[in-house]
Amino acid sequence: EAEVAQSPRYKITEKSQAVAFWCDPISGHATLYWYRQILGQGPELLVQFQDESVVDDSQLPKDRFSAERLKGVDSTLKIQPAELGDSAMYLCASSDRPFLAGVGGELFFGEGSRLTVL
Amino acid sequence: AQSVTQLGSHVSVSEGALVLLRCNYSSSVPPYLFWYVQYPNQGLQLLLKYTSAATLVKGINGFEAEFKKSETSFHLTKPSAHMSDAAEYFCAVSGADDMRFGAGTRLTVKP
Repeated sequence: EAEVAQSPRYKITEKSQAVAFWCDPISGHATLYWYRQILGQGPELLVQFQDESVVDDSQLPKDRFSAERLKGVDSTLKIQPAELGDSAMYLCASSDRPFLAGVGGELFFGEGSRLTVL
Repeated sequence: AQSVTQLGSHVSVSEGALVLLRCNYSSSVPPYLFWYVQYPNQGLQLLLKYTSAATLVKGINGFEAEFKKSETSFHLTKPSAHMSDAAEYFCAVSGADDMRFGAGTRLTVKP
């Protein structure tokens, strides 16, 4: 069964360091999402890609976070510098249909990357 | 914009008892509604989804949910809880913009 791949699964870093997370969506899925899930809360959307283009990054803290999907396939989410409040699970998800189409596509999630900032 | 509210951050049931997890939604357009399950340190897995077809939706692992427009609800049920059902459950709604998740309900199953 096709899966969304994420790495690393766990990352421990010190405050002010740079971190990066990688995501490879299900083959053929044009829409890719990065969510942040703080412990005890539901996932919150950080950024949404349609192919290589950013569709929505209104909730992405752009002073320290960046995301790219250069070839419209895999994606990288970077944090620089990391802060204590960034400790969370970073989830990548993909879909074969965008929300903008209004057809309510199902999201397929990876196992996530858990970040701990010390 | 759409949103969901999950009533009860923790639910505890005995093995074999009925599971009821509550979700109410708010949406300015006909909603698509989802229930996801998350096991510790894992991603979210789809249990079931409502996409304006039948109002009673059956999902995996014996779960089902009923869409009630008059009550703006989409509660998740399972007739008989199993120990393996212990997890975090998230209700979600999507419209034309994105998918919004509730805060989650942690289900504990007692032997």
